[in-house]
Amino acid sequence: DGGITQSPKYLFRKEGQNVTLSCEQNLNHDAMYWYRQDPGQGLRLIYYSQIVNDFQKGDIAEGYSVSREKKESFPLTVTSAQKNPTAFYLCASSIVNSGSGELFFGEGSRLTVL
Amino acid sequence: QQPVQSPQAVILREGEDAVINCSSSKALYSVHWYRQKHGEAPVFLMILLKGGEQKGHEKISASFNEKKQQSSLYLTASQLSYSGTYFCGTGAEGWKKSSGDKLTFGTGTRLAVRP
Repeated sequence: DGGITQSPKYLFRKEGQNVTLSCEQNLNHDAMYWYRQDPGQGLRLIYYSQIVNDFQKGDIAEGYSVSREKKESFPLTVTSAQKNPTAFYLCASSIVNSGSGELFFGEGSRLTVL
Repeated sequence: QQPVQSPQAVILREGEDAVINCSSSKALYSVHWYRQKHGEAPVFLMILLKGGEQKGHEKISASFNEKKQQSSLYLTASQLSYSGTYFCGTGAEGWKKSSGDKLTFGTGTRLAVRP
């Protein structure tokens, strides 16, 4: 079955450590996105990529980095520069050129900084 | 800037109707509605493009008033399965569904349907 796989589902990290969240999709989608979800704040866009080897900052990119070396993979690194990294992170993808604009979401990764 | 959703939360009894509103301070080209059940990924409901159209999916429909820069989601004869958090996502001027361009989501409306 096609879909988006995020790992790990739960992650604990100490302050000052970088951590990388994985997002893999086998839907053959061109575009991929990272959103952060906090209680009462909805979904906020961190980074997105419309094509391999290219990505753009979203609304809250500070303290995060991404790469898009392969079409199916869009890992997110939460760096020590992110002041408040504890959150639920959602990865999504969509079809480009012939799509409906629908975003397909993964199950999410919950990061807790101790 | 995130679109504003209202109400923030609503509780219904099965069979009752509800309206969720989404408004933006910026001109809109598209409005997207998603529902997220607790502990699950958000799921796409519908998309409305500039033009004031109204779309429906069974007993859930939506309207898009581009002049007022707002959209409303209508849930009629609510069912227990409608419970969850509803998010509107907006595409800014120039947004195209074929572009993979970004969406800006609202803060969400929590809906609980009781038996």
